[in-house]
Amino acid sequence: GAGVSQSPSNKVTEKGKDVELRCDPISGHTALYWYRQSLGQGLEFLIYFQGNSAPDKSGLPSDRFSAERTGGSVSTLTIQRTQQEDSAVYLCASSLRGVRNSPLHFGNGTRLTVT
Amino acid sequence: GESVGLHLPTLSVQEGDNSIINCAYSNSASDYFIWYKQESGKGPQFIIDIRSNMDKRQGQRVTVLLNKTVKHLSLQIAATQPGDSAVYFCAETRAGTALIFGKGTTLSVSS
Repeated sequence: GAGVSQSPSNKVTEKGKDVELRCDPISGHTALYWYRQSLGQGLEFLIYFQGNSAPDKSGLPSDRFSAERTGGSVSTLTIQRTQQEDSAVYLCASSLRGVRNSPLHFGNGTRLTVT
Repeated sequence: GESVGLHLPTLSVQEGDNSIINCAYSNSASDYFIWYKQESGKGPQFIIDIRSNMDKRQGQRVTVLLNKTVKHLSLQIAATQPGDSAVYFCAETRAGTALIFGKGTTLSVSS
C-alpha cells in the first residue's frame, strides 16, 4: 500500500500567518509522530499520538503549535502566528504499534518557509 | 543534558570499501536503537534496529553493533555503493519517551 503522505510538500507563508500541515499515515498504523528538521540538523520530536491515548505533547516548542488526529487516522499540525524560526521541514511518521514495537515510516515532509 | 550524537559529521569512502558510522548515547536507560538513512529531499528510511539485550544484529549488507558498557552504537555497511550516499541518523528510545535522533553523519561514496 501507499506510504505516509504529507501535504503540501512546500509551503511559503508570511510571518504572522497561520499554517496547517497534513499527514496521512499508513492505513492501520496506530501511532503517529511529528518531527521538525531544521537545515542540516537532526530531527526534533514535536508530538506523538498512540491509539486513543492522550497525545504526548512534550516536544511542542510553544503554545503556537498544536496538532490533532481525527478518527485515529489523518493528523493536522497547526502553527499559529508563524515566525521565521519556524522555517524547517516538518516530518510525519507512523508506526504499526508504536516505535518500541515496530519501526517508524516517514513521509517526505512539508518544507515550511516563513518570510 | 541527554543526547544522542554521532562522532563524525562526514565520512568519505571509496566504492567497495566498508563504512563504519558511529554513535554515542548518554542515557543508560535507553533500550532500543534504530539507524535511519535520509536521502536529499526525502524522509528518513528505516535501516536496522537493535534492542539492548543484543550486541549485534545483521541485515543485508549492514550490521549494527551495540556496546552498552561504553554506550556506543555503530553501523557497518559492507561493500559501500554510491547509492549508500546519504545522511545516517542513529535514534534511541526507552520506556515512556519518544524516539530521539542524533544530528547525523553524511556518508559520501565516490566511484
